Amino acid sequence: AQSVTQPDIHITVSEGASLELRCNYSYGATPYLFWYVQSPGQGLQLLLKYFSGDTLVQGIKGFEAEFKRSQSSFNLRKPSVHWSDAAEYFCAVGEVTGGFKTIFGAGTRLFVKA
Amino acid sequence: EPEVTQTPSHQVTQMGQEVILRCVPISNHLYFYWYRQILGQKVEFLVSFYNNEISEKSEIFDDQFSVERPDGSNFTLKIRSTKLEDSAMYFCASRIQGSSYEQYFGPGTRLTVT
Repeated sequence: AQSVTQPDIHITVSEGASLELRCNYSYGATPYLFWYVQSPGQGLQLLLKYFSGDTLVQGIKGFEAEFKRSQSSFNLRKPSVHWSDAAEYFCAVGEVTGGFKTIFGAGTRLFVKA
Repeated sequence: EPEVTQTPSHQVTQMGQEVILRCVPISNHLYFYWYRQILGQKVEFLVSFYNNEISEKSEIFDDQFSVERPDGSNFTLKIRSTKLEDSAMYFCASRIQGSSYEQYFGPGTRLTVT
């Protein structure tokens, strides 16, 4: 079965500092990879996705992620964090079986300090 | 921009009662999903629905759960006899047909079973 691991339960960064959230996946074929953000009490917003092609993908809100097949990783980065980025971030992999479903990691809570 | 909507935003019910959670997927989407997120835990797949039938369900989706598309716009999740452990955020999602594996998530319904 496919799985997603986010090794950091929570991370604290200073406003203006760079950010990297780690994600490792387990999947037999070329994965469909996603990063979602969830603000407190809110739904899931798609930040970016990787299906194929360029391994560095750009997303909304200044986020980017890099797919590294050799490391089974899809880490999320942002060069300069804003206080409004404080939220829960979920890495996910799409599983294509009879249909399609998304398997989520446990999430990383991002705290931003002034 | 079209979006998935869910009603109600918060539902409180007593154990043993039936609840129906409602979703309006994006109008030209053909695949529909329910996920749930127990407080503090990861988002979990419940069921996928296509062409008026369930295409896949998880082990969580037991006989107390059912889904229906009663008309051309709504997609519902029914829990027949709620238990305390059904308390969670329930997310509806939809996606367009084809190889675009991007799911669009609704804002969620917070279900509290007392």
